[in-house]
Amino acid sequence: DAGITQSPRHKVTETGTPVTLRCHQTENHRYMYWYRQDPGHGLRLIHYSYGVKDTDKGEVSDGYSVSRSKTEDFLLTLESATSSQTSVYFCATKGTSGRIPHEQFFGPGTRLTVL
Amino acid sequence: QQQVKQSPQSLIVQKGGISIINCAYENTAFDYFPWYQQFPGKGPALLIAIRPDVSEKKEGRFTISFNKSAKQFSLHIMDSQPGDSATYFCAASKGYSGAGSYQLTFGKGTKLSVIP
Repeated sequence: DAGITQSPRHKVTETGTPVTLRCHQTENHRYMYWYRQDPGHGLRLIHYSYGVKDTDKGEVSDGYSVSRSKTEDFLLTLESATSSQTSVYFCATKGTSGRIPHEQFFGPGTRLTVL
Repeated sequence: QQQVKQSPQSLIVQKGGISIINCAYENTAFDYFPWYQQFPGKGPALLIAIRPDVSEKKEGRFTISFNKSAKQFSLHIMDSQPGDSATYFCAASKGYSGAGSYQLTFGKGTKLSVIP
């Protein structure tokens, strides 16, 4: 497994509170991604990063922000959580070389419940 | 707008049978088509991938068939085993030969159950 950890693994919070999810990688991969997974929707890209301090929006970015101050860490922030943001969040990374250069490696996920 | 359509949503196959999952895409700029496998409580993992310059790719019991003119591709799992029970996602991206971020557009997933 690629060295990707996500924290916390589970979180329950209340509507209107800020939430930050952390993704940490030890592979020195350039690209990092945040996805959300919901029943009937598959995996949808929220934001991605193509380098330190370089980020861009994905398909479902409204209500989310990200930051990447170090290669190994990619943070996803929900400024004011809503019930529609209840989901499982996955971080993924991708390097620029290797046997399968376009392979994305996924972390174990964070289950977030917003009450 | 869903750019990658996957079917069926769920699939039940007897042990030893063939599992077939289909995907269709709309964007002709897509040039890389991976399949990801996800077990309960885990993140997805790359299973097999294909580029549009070939019509078929086989790795063990897993085969991707690709039809460029129809903009369709499918995953075939031969001799399906209970250990293959998982959710399978097809995906597509563009810019294979470039230096881009290779954003993946995923299908909605197929939950496969292989019964003994």
